[in-house]
Amino acid sequence: EAGVAQSPRYKIIEKRQSVAFWCNPISGHATLYWYQQILGQGPKLLIQFQNNGVVDDSQLPKDRFSAERLKGVDSTLKIQPAKLEDSAVYLCASSVRTGVTGELFFGEGSRLTVL
Amino acid sequence: QKEVEQNSGPLSVPEGAIASLNCTYSDRGSQSFFWYRQYSGKSPELIMFIYSNGDKEDGRFTAQLNKASQYVSLLIRDSQPSDSATYLCAVNTPMFSGGYNKLIFGAGTRLAVHP
Repeated sequence: EAGVAQSPRYKIIEKRQSVAFWCNPISGHATLYWYQQILGQGPKLLIQFQNNGVVDDSQLPKDRFSAERLKGVDSTLKIQPAKLEDSAVYLCASSVRTGVTGELFFGEGSRLTVL
Repeated sequence: QKEVEQNSGPLSVPEGAIASLNCTYSDRGSQSFFWYRQYSGKSPELIMFIYSNGDKEDGRFTAQLNKASQYVSLLIRDSQPSDSATYLCAVNTPMFSGGYNKLIFGAGTRLAVHP
C-alpha cells in the first residue's frame, strides 16, 4: 500500500515570496491533516479536512496560509507571503476516520527554509 | 496552560534499563491517547494507543492511562540504542461541533539510550 506522498521535500525561499506544498493521502483515507513542526517542537495542527470539507482550521494563519482539498483526495497548502517564522517542516497526514482509534499516517514532510 | 505537556528531556538511560516517559493533558473530554516515535529528520510513526484506564502492553512497550489524573505514560523495557528518538504524546480531543476529533501533540521527550 502506497503511503502519504508529499512534495517538494525541500524548499528554500526568501521572505515575502510564496510557496505551495502538495499532498496525496493514502487511498481511501477520508481525513487529511496538515501539521507544522518547528524545530524542537511537536507537530501543530494547521488544518483538518474530512473528505473535501474543512472541519478545523482554527490555528491556520489565514492572512497568509491557505489550503484546499479538491475532490476529497489531493491537497495543497500555500503560504503567501512567507515570513521567517514559517521555517518548519510541513507534515501531511491521513487517516481512515477521525474516530477514537484514528491512527494518523504521515508523509515524509516538506522542509521549508525562509531566508 | 498547554493542552499536552511533556518533559523535553533529554532522558538518558543505559541499554537494558526501563525508560519512563510521561505526559499530562488538559482537556478532560479527551478520549484516546497515542504515543508516536520520531527519529531525527523523520516523520512521526505510531507506537501505541490507549483509551481505557490502566495498562496496555505491546512487546517491550507499556502505555499507562489515568484519566482522573489526566496522565499518560509510556514505559520502554529493555531499552536499546535503536530506541533513541523523540517520543511524542498525542491526545485525541473532541471538537466543539460536528462530532469530529483532532489530534493534539505534545512537544516530545527526547530519549537517549547509551550502550
